[in-house]
Amino acid sequence: GAGVSQSPSNKVTEKGKDVELRCDPISGHTALYWYRQRLGQGLEFLIYFQGNSAPDKSGLPSDRFSAERTGGSVSTLTIQRTQQEDSAVYLCASSLAASGWETQYFGPGTRLLVL
Amino acid sequence: AQTVTQSQPEMSVQEAETVTLSCTYDTSESDYYLFWYKQPPSRQMILVIRQEAYKQQNATENRFSVNFQKAAKSFSLKISDSQLGDAAMYFCAYRYGGSQGNLIFGKGTKLSVKP
Repeated sequence: GAGVSQSPSNKVTEKGKDVELRCDPISGHTALYWYRQRLGQGLEFLIYFQGNSAPDKSGLPSDRFSAERTGGSVSTLTIQRTQQEDSAVYLCASSLAASGWETQYFGPGTRLLVL
Repeated sequence: AQTVTQSQPEMSVQEAETVTLSCTYDTSESDYYLFWYKQPPSRQMILVIRQEAYKQQNATENRFSVNFQKAAKSFSLKISDSQLGDAAMYFCAYRYGGSQGNLIFGKGTKLSVKP
């Protein structure tokens, strides 16, 4: 009965370095989402996976951002050549299916600080 | 494009009193869902209440209820008998009813509860 987990909880990196953020969704959930939350702001959608379908990457802010989901479960969000404006909390959510009614369950997020 | 607006950056309520948080949205779709999420300092997003657009009856969950005005595109959250544990950021969110699953969030309202 574990919820969505994310690692690391916090990450401090230097500008220009690459970072990988991990998300473990709830077992059996076919849909997985990544959001970004800048300080004092709401959540911005980044990318969405549904089963084996091609991901919806429409929210990715630049080509430095990419994500994959292996085996329909764990997902990794990669940010290459990090910039200071990438500093934010990155939240992952999963849901049983991708339909509008399904509740999205969120993980605790990864706080990324780019120095 | 769909947008969600929360016009109250901060609100305050006395313990045991009632408070209403405002939310308006813009969409041309007829099939959609609306949500209120709570985010305490732990960063964990928790679903508070949700509403289907095709339902006229306002959703209620214990001390939480909504006032859904579809024509006015308004979706306010009422918290009755406020408790100290209700203190958090509250986010209003919209989701299209089709298979496209991502949530669109407002910027949030910070609720303080005074003892």
